Amino acid sequence: EVQLVESGGGFQKPGGSLRLSCAASGFTFASHAMNWFRQAPGKGLQWVSTISGSADTTHYADSVKGRFTISRDYSKNTVYMQMNSLRAEDTAVYFCARSEGYSGSRTYADYWGQGTLVTVSS
Amino acid sequence: DIQMTQSPSSLSASVGDSVTITCRASQTIYSYLNWYQHKPGKAPKLLIYAASSLQSGVPSRFSGGGSGTEFTLTINGLQPEDFATYYCQQSYSTPTFGQGTKLEIK
Repeated sequence: EVQLVESGGGFQKPGGSLRLSCAASGFTFASHAMNWFRQAPGKGLQWVSTISGSADTTHYADSVKGRFTISRDYSKNTVYMQMNSLRAEDTAVYFCARSEGYSGSRTYADYWGQGTLVTVSS
Repeated sequence: DIQMTQSPSSLSASVGDSVTITCRASQTIYSYLNWYQHKPGKAPKLLIYAASSLQSGVPSRFSGGGSGTEFTLTINGLQPEDFATYYCQQSYSTPTFGQGTKLEIK
């Protein structure tokens, strides 16, 4: 059974940093691209970032480019999102999701975690 | 970025009804269109991928159609567990979502 469990959310002041983790199990980790999405309070879903199966390709939404970094650890089957220079508008529930396929391009997110809440406020 | 527009934004229906949600893209996305169901506090769930392919384990009362710029999600015979928010998402380019359609019980 595919499982994705996010952790690392919490409260941070503007300008601060957080690192989110997503522990994956139940599938061949290196065979799938992985993603982060988010949902701000009262808003819809938004894609944040994707990392390919081999970690040689990463993509970011313009709103987080240069501030967030996605990475993956194959020994731990875990995906990370390092979030720096946090802003109030980064406040959201962050979801980890698996892509069908290796590249993460022109595909779909077939399994999702339940999310972790990030709150950025002074 | 490609803009995705869903209609309606909200919808009231009864158990047993059939409903259709429409999603329009600002430019052609061929068939790179996915549909998700999301309930508060839960993980989003993939329903339909590539415009019309039913994800494994999803009941057959869900169906998707369309190509190019106009797409539909139809639910035939609503069940109590179907009341949720539905999102379309294009994967032709940088992924973007529609604003969501909240399906409520009448």
